[in-house]
Amino acid sequence: QKEVEQNSGPLSVPEGAIASLNCTYSDRGSQSFFWYRQYSGKSPELIMFIYSNGDKEDGRFTAQLNKASQYVSLLIRDSQPSDSATYLCAVTFMEYGNKLVFGAGTILRVKS
Amino acid sequence: SAVISQKPSRDICQRGTSLTIQCQVDSQVTMMFWYRQQPGQSLTLIATANQGSEATYESGFVIDKFPISRPNLTFSTLTVSNMSPEDSSIYLCSVEGQGVTDTQYFGPGTRLTVL
Repeated sequence: QKEVEQNSGPLSVPEGAIASLNCTYSDRGSQSFFWYRQYSGKSPELIMFIYSNGDKEDGRFTAQLNKASQYVSLLIRDSQPSDSATYLCAVTFMEYGNKLVFGAGTILRVKS
Repeated sequence: SAVISQKPSRDICQRGTSLTIQCQVDSQVTMMFWYRQQPGQSLTLIATANQGSEATYESGFVIDKFPISRPNLTFSTLTVSNMSPEDSSIYLCSVEGQGVTDTQYFGPGTRLTVL
């Protein structure tokens, strides 16, 4: 099993809808969870981090963590065409210290 | 978050040559990281660079191919040596976030094409 898995997509949603991006991870003493957004030709930009089970909201973004089920998700409310990008999930595992392990990323397309 | 710059932003190089990529941060950071992102792929960690110690390389990456310097707390370089077309990638440096556990912030990247 890959350590951090994401559906590569593309995930297409209409403008104004909720985009739901999912990420699963292996059970290796996971610690911290991150969502990065990467526009084509640009470097990754940190948009959310979460450490504890439950929901964390920041503007239109909500990160949801469920450690028992080993998944972390990112919800984007009122999706805009400017949200079209690749979303990378990253996890730190205790055995690796503070190194980020990235998923392959999910391409999101918001259609106007 | 820190402001990170990289030089060059892009380069086209000939096979067998070497390129040194610079990463500059506007504040002192203990840990800096170097990643590679091959076309259409996710990020792969090359090495972790701490000031005053040798860089720690990940499996599949060796110092002879990717020598790293970390002379102070705001600067690091990554050299891609004896390049081949397979080295064509985006190379990214990142730094640890200040006061937020395990976060990393990325520089703008260096797009390398090897002919």
